[in-house]
Amino acid sequence: KAGVTQTPRYLIKTRGQQVTLSCSPISGHRSVSWYQQTPGQGLQFLFEYFSETQRNKGNFPGRFSGRQFSNSRSEMNVSTLELGDSALYLCASSLQGGAYEQYFGPGTRLTVT
Amino acid sequence: QQPVQSPQAVILREGEDAVINCSSSKALYSVHWYRQKHGEAPVFLMILLKGGEQKGHEKISASFNEKKQQSSLYLTASQLSYSGTYFCGTDSSNTGKLIFGQGTTLQVKP
Repeated sequence: KAGVTQTPRYLIKTRGQQVTLSCSPISGHRSVSWYQQTPGQGLQFLFEYFSETQRNKGNFPGRFSGRQFSNSRSEMNVSTLELGDSALYLCASSLQGGAYEQYFGPGTRLTVT
Repeated sequence: QQPVQSPQAVILREGEDAVINCSSSKALYSVHWYRQKHGEAPVFLMILLKGGEQKGHEKISASFNEKKQQSSLYLTASQLSYSGTYFCGTDSSNTGKLIFGQGTTLQVKP
């Protein structure tokens, strides 16, 4: 089975711009979670989508949003980028979320200048 | 509330054992363990569920004390490949919303 893929792998944006990141889960997995990883804050939960519905949300401002398509692929969008948004954004797919293991993609390294 | 992991870092020689602890102030439904090597994505190791069920790799062992909201990961006869940062993720509602600890860096030396 192919693993979780994320595109793009690297991205450089300017403050104030917006960005869209994409995640393709493992075939058959219906849950996609997004995490932000920074040296200072560690791994932080952004949100989780299951069957096209946002099921969980972390403590991030409304500038961070996401969606999931009928094929389970997911996108996350960050609007009005700030310097502090520079991070590794990881998505993880799971059969159903909850008590099922999550498989992480390689991440998208976002740098905001 | 972020779970607390201890120790923050540990250095071992090959063949030695280590225990990594994860403690939460909230009642937990499950604890998830992951290992992340530098520049790579976290890799699933194990899930421990309320009620005693465990899912994960055969060579990994862990425990979950539901009453104390604590979990421990046991690494025995360590190998060089065990090096990396270990994270515990806690789920207090069985919704898949994982709150991760700050990580424990493990270095195994020859």
